[in-house]
Amino acid sequence: DAKTTQPPSMDCAEGRAANLPCNHSTISGNEYVYWYRQIHSQGPQYIIHGLKNNETNEMASLIITEDRKSSTLILPHATLRDTAVYYCIVREDGGGNQFYFGTGTSLTVIP
Amino acid sequence: GAGVSQTPSNKVTEKGKYVELRCDPISGHTALYWYRQSLGQGPEFLIYFQGTGAADDSGLPNDRFFAVRPEGSVSTLKIQRTERGDSAVYLCASSLLLEGGTDTQYFGPGTRLTVL
Repeated sequence: DAKTTQPPSMDCAEGRAANLPCNHSTISGNEYVYWYRQIHSQGPQYIIHGLKNNETNEMASLIITEDRKSSTLILPHATLRDTAVYYCIVREDGGGNQFYFGTGTSLTVIP
Repeated sequence: GAGVSQTPSNKVTEKGKYVELRCDPISGHTALYWYRQSLGQGPEFLIYFQGTGAADDSGLPNDRFFAVRPEGSVSTLKIQRTERGDSAVYLCASSLLLEGGTDTQYFGPGTRLTVL
């Protein structure tokens, strides 16, 4: 599976949009981009995933560049409860289906 | 509906002892995964079950670690002769094992294992 690179930490003001970048320059054509987050002392929580097209759900939006070498997770109106570690993962379609997590981005939402 | 549950939530044991960690997946989920998370790190894959069989156990660190899922539902992770380095949060996840890259894993809260 392709490796991902994320900034180790970011801050965001409450109520503003949080934009979390992820580089996955070695991604292959059949690998999906997944985002999970982990609030302190909890298990990872699924946020969103995509292959080529931008995706949006009730939690966030996922913007994938045309060459698929990077993506951005957008939390449109960050709240204090969004403070967490955010993991960007690329996973091959089919196969073992396990996730390979990196160290993620620690997002702190500031009042 | 009920999510993935794990018991116990915390386990403290002494070096050399045997421990069992239990995972109850979401009902109907075919796939079950075990991960281990050390402080400050992301979760690390250990083993993956498809039904009753271990489809991939390449992440198990050594032969002291073993996992079973005898009826294709509940799974138990077993660690023999525990070492201090085994201290971590052990996470379980389950999924429907859908095709087409849409197979979302749902995680439990984890079991925090401390080996003294």
